[in-house]
Amino acid sequence: SSELTQDPAVSVALGQTVRITCQGDSLRTYYVSWFQQKPGQAPVLVIYGKNSRPSGIPDRFSGSSSGNTASLTITGAQAEDEADYYCNCRDSSGDHVVFGGGTKLTVL
Amino acid sequence: EVQLVQSGPEVKKPGESLKISCQGSGYTFTNYWIAWVRQMPGKGLEWMGIIYPGDSDTTYSPSFQGQVTISVDKSLNTAYLQWSTLKASDSAMYYCARPSSTPLVYEYEYWGQGTLVTVSS
Repeated sequence: SSELTQDPAVSVALGQTVRITCQGDSLRTYYVSWFQQKPGQAPVLVIYGKNSRPSGIPDRFSGSSSGNTASLTITGAQAEDEADYYCNCRDSSGDHVVFGGGTKLTVL
Repeated sequence: EVQLVQSGPEVKKPGESLKISCQGSGYTFTNYWIAWVRQMPGKGLEWMGIIYPGDSDTTYSPSFQGQVTISVDKSLNTAYLQWSTLKASDSAMYYCARPSSTPLVYEYEYWGQGTLVTVSS
């Protein structure tokens, strides 16, 4: 089992806002990173650090954190945002890295 | 342009050994951590371990410690993931990944295309 817990599936209506969460004790200490993965493709980093987006990531993606829970928010979800989303972070020891189990986002 | 190019798909038998590679280009290879990530069919991402090419400092996930070996050849700008004795359960897609900037460790902005490993008798 992962030290980072994600809901297995979330759905959102086209154009609406959705929040995907990641829970874990290490999130009280370290920032989380978020990855988007579409079928047959390598993961893509969408959020890292406090709330930074790599070049080319739309600004509808944003990140936040409170206590042991980090959130990825997509404001105005698009059809192309349908994908699996993973969080990662250091583990509670700080010595290793762990991924959450992933959340499958469906855009209705 | 930063690129990570991985070796091609492999089909092996249980008990065989294997070494797959990840060649970095477009940046100073020795300055950035390289991680290996497993994805079994239909499953999530699993962090296997990480290596710093500058000094070969390596950390393994407890789940993969003793099961694989991560190494690097600085002269070839290449990181490796190897198995001495493959099992059917090692069948998966394996990705190498690099953080956005130094000294970041897990913010993987750059990914290889993946190497599909199939272990079957």
